[in-house]
Amino acid sequence: DTGVSQDPRHKITKRGQNVTFRCDPISEHNRLYWYRQTLGQGPEFLTYFQNEAQLEKSRLLSDRFSAERPKGSFSTLEIQRTEQGDSAMYLCASSLLAGNYGYTFGSGTRLTVV
Amino acid sequence: DQQVKQNSPSLSVQEGRISILNCDYTNSMFDYFLWYKKYPAEGPTFLISISSIKDKNEDGRFTVFLNKSAKHLSLHIVPSQPGDSAVYFCAASAGNYGGSQGNLIFGKGTKLSVKP
Repeated sequence: DTGVSQDPRHKITKRGQNVTFRCDPISEHNRLYWYRQTLGQGPEFLTYFQNEAQLEKSRLLSDRFSAERPKGSFSTLEIQRTEQGDSAMYLCASSLLAGNYGYTFGSGTRLTVV
Repeated sequence: DQQVKQNSPSLSVQEGRISILNCDYTNSMFDYFLWYKKYPAEGPTFLISISSIKDKNEDGRFTVFLNKSAKHLSLHIVPSQPGDSAVYFCAASAGNYGGSQGNLIFGKGTKLSVKP
C-alpha cells in the first residue's frame, strides 16, 4: 500500500486555463476528501465522496470547480477558468467509512495561477 | 468566523521538555477532535484524536486533553524530540461520533520547534 497518491505535485497555469488534478486513495478506503490549503491557513474542506457518490460540497466549491469519483476509485478535481485566487495546495485524503479515526492525506498538488 | 482557533502561531521548546499546544473551538456541536502533524512538502499526518465523551486520550508520548465546558483542548508531547518539529493542526467534526468523519474544520496551525 503506497498511501494516497496525488498527481501532479506542482502545476503552474495561466489565468483562465483549465486544470485537472488526480487523486488515488488507499484502495480499501470508501471515503475520499478534497481540501484546499492556502499559506498560513489550515486545510479547508471542499468536498467528499463515499464510494462514487458526492455527499457534501462546501460553499468554497464554486461553479468553476467540479469533482468526480467514477467507479468509486480515483478522483479528479477540475478547476475551470482559473483565477489567481485559486492558487493553493489541493489536498486529497481518504478514510474508511467507520472505525478509522483519521484521514490519510496525500502530499498535495500545489497550484500556482499566473 | 473561525470555529477552531489555534492562537499561538509558533512554539519553541527544549528537547526533553514538555510541549503543550492549545486549541479553542466555538461550535458546541463538535463532538470529535483530532490533531494532525505536518512536515514541509508533505500532507498532514493523523496523530491522535478524542471524542467528546472523554476528557483524555493518551498514545505514547502524546496526550490530548478535552475541556468541554471551556471549549478547549490541548496536545501534550512528553518528552519533546527534535523530530517533533512540525506544524500541528487541531481539527474538529460535528455529528460524527463513532469515527466516521465527514467534514473536518481545521485551525490555522502551530509551528513547533524542538531545540536539541
